[in-house]
Amino acid sequence: TQLLEQSPQFLSIQEGENLTVYCNSSSVFSSLQWYRQEPGEGPVLLVTVVTGGEVKKLKRLTFQFGDARKDSSLHITAAQPGDTGLYLCAGERTSGSRLTFGEGTQLTVNP
Amino acid sequence: DAGITQSPRHKVTETGTPVTLRCHQTENHRYMYWYRQDPGHGLRLIHYSYGVKDTDKGEVSDGYSVSRSKTEDFLLTLESATSSQTSVYFCAISPGGRSYYGYTFGSGTRLTVV
Repeated sequence: TQLLEQSPQFLSIQEGENLTVYCNSSSVFSSLQWYRQEPGEGPVLLVTVVTGGEVKKLKRLTFQFGDARKDSSLHITAAQPGDTGLYLCAGERTSGSRLTFGEGTQLTVNP
Repeated sequence: DAGITQSPRHKVTETGTPVTLRCHQTENHRYMYWYRQDPGHGLRLIHYSYGVKDTDKGEVSDGYSVSRSKTEDFLLTLESATSSQTSVYFCAISPGGRSYYGYTFGSGTRLTVV
């Protein structure tokens, strides 16, 4: 059983559509991160959220940390083919602990 | 200009042979990590290091050992490779103990054990 459950596992959409990816857990996290991974490469950090209810924006990407710090979401507005990739959430259970990763959401944006 | 490099990028080896993967960083980061990535399991921590000669186990450490004799190098050894160790291996670095700082990953090593 994964500590962090991501949904959906796979998502295929058309360019211009909006989408939301979810990362859920029954555990509380002191911080949570989102990474994007492209084929043949390692994950690249997009954002870190640390405060319950926190919202961060990165251009067309909006990240939210749940009030109880057990879940997070990533919303992409007007998706583009360049957004295609594997999106991973990762959480720090307690301060100083190692990151635990979800399985990821494979996003494909078709032109 | 990559701050972290992994070698080799691809390797095919036979069951029962020892294999060593290398991670080299130029960022002078204290923390280094080895993960494996498999379908259905995501990224799982094998071992990590919090300084020269200071290492600790992760969640899937059986069959693996590590060494760190210099700040810049972190080696992962499969003592006797098995088919279940076929995977993509990633090294990561971070400047501090708090995961809050984020990890920088290498490009990975694809290992096939036949």
